[in-house]
Amino acid sequence: KAGVTQTPRYLIKTRGQQVTLSCSPISGHRSVSWYQQTPGQGLQFLFEYFSETQRNKGNFPGRFSGRQFSNSRSEMNVSTLELGDSALYLCASSGSGGGTDTQYFGPGTRLTVL
Amino acid sequence: TQLLEQSPQFLSIQEGENLTVYCNSSSVFSSLQWYRQEPGEGPVLLVTVVTGGEVKKLKRLTFQFGDARKDSSLHITAAQPGDTGLYLCAGRSSNTGKLIFGQGTTLQVKP
Repeated sequence: KAGVTQTPRYLIKTRGQQVTLSCSPISGHRSVSWYQQTPGQGLQFLFEYFSETQRNKGNFPGRFSGRQFSNSRSEMNVSTLELGDSALYLCASSGSGGGTDTQYFGPGTRLTVL
Repeated sequence: TQLLEQSPQFLSIQEGENLTVYCNSSSVFSSLQWYRQEPGEGPVLLVTVVTGGEVKKLKRLTFQFGDARKDSSLHITAAQPGDTGLYLCAGRSSNTGKLIFGQGTTLQVKP
């Protein structure tokens, strides 16, 4: 079974631009979660999607948004990029996303904002 | 806001030594997970503990969940260079269902 894939792996943008990151979950998984990882703040939860609906949301500004498609693939968008948005963005998929359900992480997209 | 504090943040030891990593919170979690992350990759789940006082072993790694389900520890016996990586604890919030991560412990095991 193929793992979680994220594209692109690396991205360089400038302040004010917008960016879209993509995540393909493991086949059959319906829950996709997004995290931001930085050296200073660690891993922080952005949002979770299940069956095309946002089920949970972290404490990030409205510039961060996401969506999930009928095939469970997910995208996240960051508008009006700031220097502080430079981070590793990780996507994780699981069967149902609840309780002790195992999350499988992708390799991440490294975003650098100049 | 629920927080998980991990300690130590960095650990550099010689091959064969033992070590313990701690994960503490003032909040109760319905479950707690430990992950290991290597450079250029996403975190990989090592274990999930659910019951207060639960102890799980994975070869040379021993995981314990505190009786009150507010803290956890990871003990590695006879560390090997292959254990090098970033260790993360993550608690599942009883209220929101969100997974909250600790800051991580960077472990370096020198041969």
